[in-house]
Amino acid sequence: KQEVTQIPAALSVPEGENLVLNCSFTDSAIYNLQWFRQDPGKGLTSLLLIQSSQREQTSGRLNASLDKSSGRSTLYIAASQPGDSATYLCAVRGHSGNTPLVFGKGTRLSVIA
Amino acid sequence: SQTIHQWPATLVQPVGSPLSLECTVEGTSNPNLYWYRQAAGRGLQLLFYSVGIGQISSEVPQNLSASRPQDRQFILSSKKLLLSDSGFYLCAWLGVSDTQYFGPGTRLTVL
Repeated sequence: KQEVTQIPAALSVPEGENLVLNCSFTDSAIYNLQWFRQDPGKGLTSLLLIQSSQREQTSGRLNASLDKSSGRSTLYIAASQPGDSATYLCAVRGHSGNTPLVFGKGTRLSVIA
Repeated sequence: SQTIHQWPATLVQPVGSPLSLECTVEGTSNPNLYWYRQAAGRGLQLLFYSVGIGQISSEVPQNLSASRPQDRQFILSSKKLLLSDSGFYLCAWLGVSDTQYFGPGTRLTVL
């Protein structure tokens, strides 16, 4: 059974700092991996999707990498801003597009001005 | 463009009362649809998913049920709510690009 772990559970950084959020998964036979952002009391917002054949995806100040063989993904946030404060969730989809996502418990990020 | 709606946004219900949460997707056809629950201090738990009308897969045995009466409508129900049913309920759909999108959620408090 696929398990997704995110470390650390919480992170506090000063504004302007570059940071890395980590995600690991136990079964490397994934279809894709998706990073989400969740603000308090809100739904999830998709940030980046990496297909199993890809190594990384970039969107603005965000860069997500995937090392499928080692079961790891990282989300890099450059020049962090207070508006980046949120919970970031990693999720993997199994062997086909119809397989449901399995989520980690998230990393709660606070960017201090 | 595609949008997903959930209602109500918040709900307070007594133990033992029935429940009906609705999710509707616009701008797409025959999407895969999902119901998740997020309880305080816990991760996102998949409850049900559907790949088409009348096709429901249950992930967790519980007193909840789901139905898909129309292509873009997904309903979560219960005949008798338990205290443990409290949480944040999220509906999601799978886009053609394999990206999963979430609705705004329903906050359910069972007293």
